Amino acid sequence: SAVISQKPSRDICQRGTSLTIQCQVDSQVTMMFWYRQQPGQSLTLIATANQGSEATYESGFVIDKFPISRPNLTFSTLTVSNLSPEDSSIYLCSVEDRTGPVEKLFFGSGTQLSVL
Amino acid sequence: AQSVTQPDIHITVSEGASLELRCNYSYGATPYLFWYVQSPGQGLQLLLKYFSGDTLVQGIKGFEAEFKRSQSSFNLRKPSVHWSDAAEYFCAVGGNTPLVFGKGTRLSVIA
Repeated sequence: SAVISQKPSRDICQRGTSLTIQCQVDSQVTMMFWYRQQPGQSLTLIATANQGSEATYESGFVIDKFPISRPNLTFSTLTVSNLSPEDSSIYLCSVEDRTGPVEKLFFGSGTQLSVL
Repeated sequence: AQSVTQPDIHITVSEGASLELRCNYSYGATPYLFWYVQSPGQGLQLLLKYFSGDTLVQGIKGFEAEFKRSQSSFNLRKPSVHWSDAAEYFCAVGGNTPLVFGKGTRLSVIA
């Protein structure tokens, strides 16, 4: 199974600044996913990050606003740029690991972002 | 603490047969409940969600789920399964904190 360390766990940011969220996995994984969970809502996939290639963004999300890095098979960052109050959400990274006997999907503990 | 249990790791059904995937949860308040489907290499797709109101919720692709507070369950059903439904299904519970997911149930569909 994969263990994911995501940080920061929460942050309060000023409008117009940026926040970079880190996701570290204890094993090599091919695919990492970044999600947004708005207050009281379900998850929305922002992008899929594969090592060695550019991230694939879902409709409504663009690289300029959510740049992603994936320098190796165990690490990724998501930056939320030019913050506005509408960006206040929980951001989650997730990996898919089908090598284990049971669990297949693993999530970081989330980053709770509040924008003032 | 919040938790979600999906007791069935793998289920195989015949095409055209009915399906029920089980989900039990533990949550301190009135839960928000979700069912997601994931195909290999793809992100999660939301099938349906329950926030309040009618305890029988309809989702996409012909799926439905029933919230039973007395049983702390939110089972997913489909009256007639299609081969394209073969995938991984995840139940989740949450609210204003990060969602907690079950371990998933893999659905295989045979002819």
